[in-house]
Parts: sequence; structure tokens; C-alpha cells
Amino acid sequence: AQKITQTQPGMFVQEKEAVTLDCTYDTSDQSYGLFWYKQPSSGEMIFLIYQGSYDEQNATEGRYSLNFQKARKSANLVISASQLGDSAMYFCAMREPTSGTYKYIFGTGTRLKVLA
Amino acid sequence: SAVISQKPSRDICQRGTSLTIQCQVDSQVTMMFWYRQQPGQSLTLIATANQGSEATYESGFVIDKFPISRPNLTFSTLTVSNMSPEDSSIYLCSVDGTASTDTQYFGPGTRLTVL
Repeated sequence: AQKITQTQPGMFVQEKEAVTLDCTYDTSDQSYGLFWYKQPSSGEMIFLIYQGSYDEQNATEGRYSLNFQKARKSANLVISASQLGDSAMYFCAMREPTSGTYKYIFGTGTRLKVLA
Repeated sequence: SAVISQKPSRDICQRGTSLTIQCQVDSQVTMMFWYRQQPGQSLTLIATANQGSEATYESGFVIDKFPISRPNLTFSTLTVSNMSPEDSSIYLCSVDGTASTDTQYFGPGTRLTVL
């Protein structure tokens, strides 16, 4: 079973509009972390935002916010005031404990295209 | 945050040969991760490399195919052995941040094409 599910392979948004990228996760652990990364065509992985499983408030970082709904196991990324430079692949990831350490699991990604 | 460099940045290799990818970090880190990203796909964890111990491989990845070295706290290598065209991917190393709320930091990746 997929541990991280991103159901939107591709999304379009008009410049200056807001867009929500969906992410659901599956874990039985109480302690975990959720991350969003941006990967432009250059291939680098850029960290955007983090949400801890015990955090009661939604994380925000500039134009990025994470809509964390723990009961639904969802961690959607909201990008406000989209810019052309936001066009990229976006990956949701979960850090979960395993065998005394931890590892990161990535979703399949959403390709976002911002339209002028 | 950590600054990570990888060598080579890209390479084109012949089937049956091996390539060693280097990952250098500007600070001492306990855990280093190696990922593979096949064309148009997500990141898949190959193995976790801790200094002073054997690397821990994920299901589907074996040491004979992807031997890893971790000689110190700032350096690691991943070798892709006996390559085939299916090994054409981006290979990324990453390290964890220093705080529980910190993210992992990625190197720029190595683009490998196997002919």
C-alpha cells in the first residue's frame, strides 16, 4: 500500500491565484514528520515546508502553507499568489521511524504549471 | 543547513561498467541517504549509510549492485555496478538536519545515462 499518495499528477493554475496540492499519508506511528519539496527542471530538491505530527497549528513559510488534517491523514500544500517560477514538480514526503532510526518516503509527485 | 556536493554531476557510461558517485558534506553528519530517481518518477531510497557500520539497504536494492562506503562523517560513495540501461537515473545523496524539525538536505544529483 502507498504510504504517501498524491492523486494529482498534473495541475494548472493561473498566475497570482492560489493552488492546493493534495497529499494523504498512511502510518500507524504517533510521531512522524511531513515535508513538501519542490523540484524544478534543473533537478535540485528544494525544501519548502515541514509539519510535525504533534504540531497543532498548520505550518506556514511565506507563500506556502500546509493544511494539516491529522484525523484525515492529509497534508495538503497551499501556494498563494502563484508565480511563474512556481512551475515545477512537487513532492510530499513523510519521515517515519524504522528499526531504531528513520527514513523518508516520497509520494509520486504533482507537476504544477503556472499560466501567465 | 548543510551544503552537499556530488561528483560527477553527470556521466554517460557503457553497459557492464561501474560508476562510483561521491558525496561530500560541509559538516559532520550521522546519517546519509542515497536515492534513485528514474526518469519522470519519484525518489526511491536505495540505502542509509551510517559511519562505522554497514549500510542498510531497502527492499529491491542489494549491496552487490550498489556498494556504499562511508569512511567518515562528511563523505560517502555509491557505486552502481555492472550497469544496464535500466540504471539510467538521477542519483541523489542527502543528509539530515540537526534538529528534529529540520529537513533533509539534498545534493545536486548525478545524472547517469547507460548506453
